[in-house]
Amino acid sequence: DGGITQSPKYLFRKEGQNVTLSCEQNLNHDAMYWYRQDPGQGLRLIYYSQIVNDFQKGDIAEGYSVSREKKESFPLTVTSAQKNPTAFYLCASSTTVDTEAFFGQGTRLTVV
Amino acid sequence: DAKTTQPNSMESNEEEPVHLPCNHSTISGTDYIHWYRQLPSQGPEYVIHGLTSNVNNRMASLAIAEDRKSSTLILHRATLRDAAVYYCILYSGGSNYKLTFGKGTLLTVNP
Repeated sequence: DGGITQSPKYLFRKEGQNVTLSCEQNLNHDAMYWYRQDPGQGLRLIYYSQIVNDFQKGDIAEGYSVSREKKESFPLTVTSAQKNPTAFYLCASSTTVDTEAFFGQGTRLTVV
Repeated sequence: DAKTTQPNSMESNEEEPVHLPCNHSTISGTDYIHWYRQLPSQGPEYVIHGLTSNVNNRMASLAIAEDRKSSTLILHRATLRDAAVYYCILYSGGSNYKLTFGKGTLLTVNP
């Protein structure tokens, strides 16, 4: 079945460590997105990519990095520079603005 | 970026219609209006989208004002499973496919 997969569902890391969240889609979508969600809040855009080997900063890119080497994959690295990394992270993909965007089930990152 | 304004929360009774409003006074001609909903601890789910004309699908209807500065998501008969946060989003077109969310409306459905 076509879809978008995030892994792992839960992730625990020690403070000061970099961690990479996986996002894979087999929908042949060009655009992919990463969001952060804090408790009781909406989704805030971290990075997005419209095409392979190209990506743009969203509203809260500081402390995060991404790569887009393959159309299917858009991993997000949470670096030690991110001050408050504990959050729910969501990945999405879409084709154009005239079609729906699909979301993964999210990764809940806890930094201790 | 064009912004949307939604009420923080709304309440409805089961099997009654629900009208969820959204204001987007700075919408541009290339912006599509998308609606998504999110259940706790899950990723958002697509509901409906439109550009200028009203739209219907199996989940809901979308009514778009003639000047496109506001829209309303209509759930014809609310069920308990419709309780969620509903997001109204302007999906920017042109050369920049940027999908930006606001805070959404928390819909509570009473049995």
